Amino acid sequence: QVQLVESGGGVVQPGRSLRLSCAASGFSFNDVAMHWVRQAPGKGLEWVGVVSKSGSDESYADSVKGRFTVSRDNSKNTVYLEMNSLKSADTAVYYCAREGAAVTTTHYFDYWGQGTLVIVSS
Amino acid sequence: DIQMTQSPSSLSASVGDRVTITCQASQDIDYCVNWYQQRPGQAPRLLINDASNLHTGVPSRFSGGGSGTHFTFTISGLLPEDVATYYCEQYDNLPLTFGGGTKVEIK
Repeated sequence: QVQLVESGGGVVQPGRSLRLSCAASGFSFNDVAMHWVRQAPGKGLEWVGVVSKSGSDESYADSVKGRFTVSRDNSKNTVYLEMNSLKSADTAVYYCAREGAAVTTTHYFDYWGQGTLVIVSS
Repeated sequence: DIQMTQSPSSLSASVGDRVTITCQASQDIDYCVNWYQQRPGQAPRLLINDASNLHTGVPSRFSGGGSGTHFTFTISGLLPEDVATYYCEQYDNLPLTFGGGTKVEIK
């Protein structure tokens, strides 16, 4: 069965960096794009970014552009979120999510990890 | 960015009631809307994709409709396990954006 397991969350000081990982299993990892979505405590969902199947293309929300990088290692079935220059506003549960659509004319997240909590605080 | 205005932000209904949630897009997005359920303490779960397509394994009491700028999500016969927050999502343009959520409770 499809599993997505995030790790790497924790408490980090403002301005510092953190790298999250999402280990995937149960499907052909290099056939799908992968996303990160975050949720601040008590708030709604915010898309963070996406990496293409090959890892050659990425897109980001404006709120993280230039600070966050989504990458993947298809040999390890893992997607990463490198977060730099962290701010208190980045405090959230970070979910990785699988792109469920097989064609680019549509989109949906069909599987989500359980999330990992990042707290940015001094 | 495309804004998704979801209403109401919360509602309380009785078991068996019909519940409807709406999402208004800030521009025409055709049918490019998905709906997710997030139970307390859990990750979101896909219910409806492409505005009205029931995802695999999702009970038929859930349904979606609409196109253009106005979208609806309906639970026909609310059950206790439907207590959750529901989100719409647009994918017509990047960045992907979500509505603010609707918290559904049992009266």
